Amino acid sequence: GQNIDQPTEMTATEGAIVQINCTYQTSGFNGLFWYQQHAGEAPTFLSYNVLDGLEEKGRFSSFLSRSKGYSYLLLKELQMKDSASYLCAVMDSNYQLIWGAGTKLIIKP
Amino acid sequence: GAVVSQHPSWVICKSGTSVKIECRSLDFQATTMFWYRQFPKQSLMLMATSNEGSKATYEQGVEKDKFLINHASLTLSTLTVTSAHPEDSSFYICSARTGRDGKETQYFGPGTRLLVL
Repeated sequence: GQNIDQPTEMTATEGAIVQINCTYQTSGFNGLFWYQQHAGEAPTFLSYNVLDGLEEKGRFSSFLSRSKGYSYLLLKELQMKDSASYLCAVMDSNYQLIWGAGTKLIIKP
Repeated sequence: GAVVSQHPSWVICKSGTSVKIECRSLDFQATTMFWYRQFPKQSLMLMATSNEGSKATYEQGVEKDKFLINHASLTLSTLTVTSAHPEDSSFYICSARTGRDGKETQYFGPGTRLLVL
């Protein structure tokens, strides 16, 4: 079966760095996405990785290792507004997105 | 980035009525649109995949006669919840897939919150 695993909840301190991991097992692979979802709102696109390596976008970076079925989202210089759920999703061979359950990130002052 | 709109953003209706939700890709053409449902504190659940000009593909457990999907053009898909009941109260989110910028990416609409009394 297809499976995406990510931690349910993480806590970090304002100004610090946090890494949210995601492991996956899917039928085929056409890219991995990270989305941010604030409570009560729709998800917003953060990043897309299809090749191995690190993609950096400002305070957010995303890493992919296809051989290990592993990705992480790295958030630097955490701000209170970064408190949200972070969703990992993999596009399978049929170009369907398989979703993880999301990681709720709590930022403390 | 690409923009997807949904209308209405909020709906309150009586049990037994039908509700139509529109999803539009504003600045790109989307050959494929997706409809999701999200209950409080739960993951996004894919309901159906909609391709322009063809019938939608529904996920297991989603009643196609209750959740009617029409993808009339490359920029518009509609979801109609027929004979809505309180258990249909949820957050409905559409997304549109585009290959712009050389990458396949899904952009989400802002969601429609449905409350059935």
